[in-house]
Amino acid sequence: AQTVTQSQPEMSVQEAETVTLSCTYDTSESDYYLFWYKQPPSRQMILVIRQEAYKQQNATENRFSVNFQKAAKSFSLKISDSQLGDAAMYFCAYRSMMRGQGNLIFGKGTKLSVKP
Amino acid sequence: DADVTQTPRNRITKTGKRIMLECSQTKGHDRMYWYRQDPGLGLRLIYYSFDVKDINKGEISDGYSVSRQAQAKFSLSLESAIPNQTALYFCATSDSTDSYEQYFGPGTRLTVT
Repeated sequence: AQTVTQSQPEMSVQEAETVTLSCTYDTSESDYYLFWYKQPPSRQMILVIRQEAYKQQNATENRFSVNFQKAAKSFSLKISDSQLGDAAMYFCAYRSMMRGQGNLIFGKGTKLSVKP
Repeated sequence: DADVTQTPRNRITKTGKRIMLECSQTKGHDRMYWYRQDPGLGLRLIYYSFDVKDINKGEISDGYSVSRQAQAKFSLSLESAIPNQTALYFCATSDSTDSYEQYFGPGTRLTVT
């Protein structure tokens, strides 16, 4: 069974600085998707960024980028130029590409605080 | 209007009561999911359905049941609520292709006293 581990329960960053959130996962599959979701106090789950395992190039979405290391099974999220609105829970998630496996497997989350 | 809606948004109930959480979607997706979120545990899968006649248990299905009344509706029931079912519940949908994205509802905060 696949597992996702986020080893940082809480992180803090100064506004305008850069922060990296860690995620590791365990799987025997070669094809899969990885995601980072943001959950602000409104509790809505918001997709931040996604990565297909077959793509070597790291995904980037504006100030958000990932460092995907397939061999190491590592998928970290870098937030550049942090803003107060980035304060939230961040969840790393795994999705198998096997037929019949559509659900997401989540890590336990990292709470990010942004200091003005 | 939101693509995935959940009712109620908040609910307080007593131990032993039966309660139903409802999810509706207008995205035309085949697949629907129920997740539970507890502090420090992330989201865990309760049940999922790939179409009206296909319902499957997830990681933590004990104490829950579901009904897929139509393609657009997927309900989660707690037959006899207990305090450790106090949690935030999310419904999500996705289509039946290999498209990777799941769309989440706004969540239902359930408190069992």
